[in-house]
Amino acid sequence: DSGVTQTPKHLITATGQRVTLRCSPRSGDLSVYWYQQSLDQGLQFLIQYYNGEERAKGNILERFSAQQFPDLHSELNLSSLELGDSALYFCASSAPGTIGAQYGYTFGSGTRLTVV
Amino acid sequence: AQSVAQPEDQVNVAEGNPLTVKCTYSVSGNPYLFWYVQYPNRGLQFLLKYITGDNLVKGSYGFEAEFNKSQTSFHLKKPSALVSDSALYFCAVSPSPYGGSQGNLIFGKGTKLSVKP
Repeated sequence: DSGVTQTPKHLITATGQRVTLRCSPRSGDLSVYWYQQSLDQGLQFLIQYYNGEERAKGNILERFSAQQFPDLHSELNLSSLELGDSALYFCASSAPGTIGAQYGYTFGSGTRLTVV
Repeated sequence: AQSVAQPEDQVNVAEGNPLTVKCTYSVSGNPYLFWYVQYPNRGLQFLLKYITGDNLVKGSYGFEAEFNKSQTSFHLKKPSALVSDSALYFCAVSPSPYGGSQGNLIFGKGTKLSVKP
């Protein structure tokens, strides 16, 4: 167990629907990152939150949004789903400062989203 | 912009032989480099990192990586491969050594390592 918890592990939904993926970071970590992993695109950075605030945006579609709550858990919302959104979605967390440098980023086991 | 390239989609080695998984990077400023491993249906696991200091970095499971600034490379190596090393390996670069408020990891496409008995 990495300490980063992602739920659900698997999700099957229809096109046009909306889903929410949840991530609880490792205890003490302030940063949460969302990544999308697909066969053709590899690991794509979506968005980063730090202590509740958005800090960096990557290749995140407008149909996707995220937030980090006061207890530091994060949710990634995917709407108007398309077949091409089928992928593995990873959350990672990191600690600030020298602790983060020592341990790097810790990844959850991912949520596999299948859009049918 | 920061970028990472892993020129090989797949590397095949025999068990007991040395292995090398290649990574080159492009950054402005100091590079902060990482290797991660992903086993089937699992998340990424941290192997090792280069922040500063000794160019040869030792990590988990007997892996090491050599930072070469002139060649902008950070190749992953292991003297003697095991079948259990078979997995997907990702090289990554970050603009920040701390992974705090300033940075995020940019990953290469990944290299599938296959170790045969």
